Amino acid sequence: AQSVTQLGSHVSVSEGALVLLRCNYSSSVPPYLFWYVQYPNQGLQLLLKYTSAATLVKGINGFEAEFKKSETSFHLTKPSAHMSDAAEYFCAVSMEYGNKLVFGAGTILRVKS
Amino acid sequence: GAVVSQHPSRVICKSGTSVKIECRSLDFQATTMFWYRQFPKQSLMLMATSNEGSKATYEQGVEKDKFLINHASLTLSTLTVTSAHPEDSSFYICSAIGLAGLTDTQYFGPGTRLTVL
Repeated sequence: AQSVTQLGSHVSVSEGALVLLRCNYSSSVPPYLFWYVQYPNQGLQLLLKYTSAATLVKGINGFEAEFKKSETSFHLTKPSAHMSDAAEYFCAVSMEYGNKLVFGAGTILRVKS
Repeated sequence: GAVVSQHPSRVICKSGTSVKIECRSLDFQATTMFWYRQFPKQSLMLMATSNEGSKATYEQGVEKDKFLINHASLTLSTLTVTSAHPEDSSFYICSAIGLAGLTDTQYFGPGTRLTVL
C-alpha cells in the first residue's frame, strides 16, 4: 500500500527565509505526486504536481518541488517565505490518473516577521 | 477554471437527524468525485469514490448505509450523513476529476463543517 510521510508536523521560518517541507513516499513504482495547501477552514488548493515529466516541478506562489526517485522524495521549497505562506501543506500520492489520493499527515508552516 | 463548490459550508444538527451535503463542479464535468473527512489537526481520509451513474466505492471501515453517496449527474454529488451522532462531527471535503484536460488532478471544494449536538 502507498504511504506518504511528511517530516515535521510544524515548521517555522522567518519572513524571507528558505522554506523546505519534506515529503517521502513509499511505492514500488513511480507514482504521481502532489502538494496541496490548506488555509484555515478552507478546502485544498493545488500548488504543484509531478506526473512523470520534468523532475523539477514549478508551481504557484513561487513554490517548486523536485522528484528524486533514488530517495523516494518530493520535497517542497520556496526561496523566500512570505507571511501569506502560513498555512498547512499536504503531500499526496496517487498511483494513476484519476485515482484516489493518499495524503501525508500535513505540515503547518509558520512564518515569523 | 476547475472550480468545485460545496453546500452548505457549515451545518449544525441534532443527534439522530440526517444531513445532506452537496458537491458541485461549476465549470467542468466531473466523471469522478471523492469524499474525504478531516478531523481536527489530522489529515484527510478518503471515505468513498463516486462515479456518475454508478454506486459509490467505500473505503474500508466506512459505513455505506450511514454515509449515502449519490452521483446523479456529471456536475453533482451528494453525501448524506444518516442518523448523525456527535462522533460524525468533522470537516467533509469533496473533490472532483474532470474529463479531457482535467483528468490527472483532483480539484477540491471548500469543505463543509458538520457539528452534531
